[in-house]
Amino acid sequence: KAGVTQTPRYLIKTRGQQVTLSCSPISGHRSVSWYQQTPGQGLQFLFEYFSETQRNKGNFPGRFSGRQFSNSRSEMNVSTLELGDSALYLCASSLGGLTNRYEQYFGPGTRLTVT
Amino acid sequence: AQKITQTQPGMFVQEKEAVTLDCTYDTSDPSYGLFWYKQPSSGEMIFLIYQGSYDQQNATEGRYSLNFQKARKSANLVISASQLGDSAMYFCAMSPYSSASKIIFGSGTRLSIRP
Repeated sequence: KAGVTQTPRYLIKTRGQQVTLSCSPISGHRSVSWYQQTPGQGLQFLFEYFSETQRNKGNFPGRFSGRQFSNSRSEMNVSTLELGDSALYLCASSLGGLTNRYEQYFGPGTRLTVT
Repeated sequence: AQKITQTQPGMFVQEKEAVTLDCTYDTSDPSYGLFWYKQPSSGEMIFLIYQGSYDQQNATEGRYSLNFQKARKSANLVISASQLGDSAMYFCAMSPYSSASKIIFGSGTRLSIRP
């Protein structure tokens, strides 16, 4: 069974540009969550999509947005990039059912550098 | 608000010894899940073990066990017979059942295994 895949793995962008990151979940998983990891702030939850709808959202500005397609693949978009957006962006997938166990499987991440 | 505290930024352990990674948490939610993830230098987050707040017994997964003390709000990870491949960052995490996808992570502990 293939794991979570993220593309691209590395990205360099300039301040003010926008960027789109992609995540393909494990087959059968309907939930995709996004996290930002930086040395200063650690791992922070961005948002979760389930069945093409945003189900949970963290405390990030509106420049960070996402969407999910009918095949559960998800994209994350960051507009008007700032230097502080440089980070490892991790995507995680899970079955997403309303159980008391929420095991998430992470992808390898996309390392974004903003110059 | 939820909070995870990992007080050991780094640890060195001799190969084949057991190691305990500390984790305390704070939450007002009556029901929650606790997780441990491993992040090697490659960046991918690897799920290790899960403990539900209502689980009576401590979780175990192979060489990993979670020492859950609910009254003390601690969820320490114990790795038995450490191996060189265990060298990595380890994150303790928690999510409330009411918002299960919104996982809150601790700051991590960097574990280094000495041969």
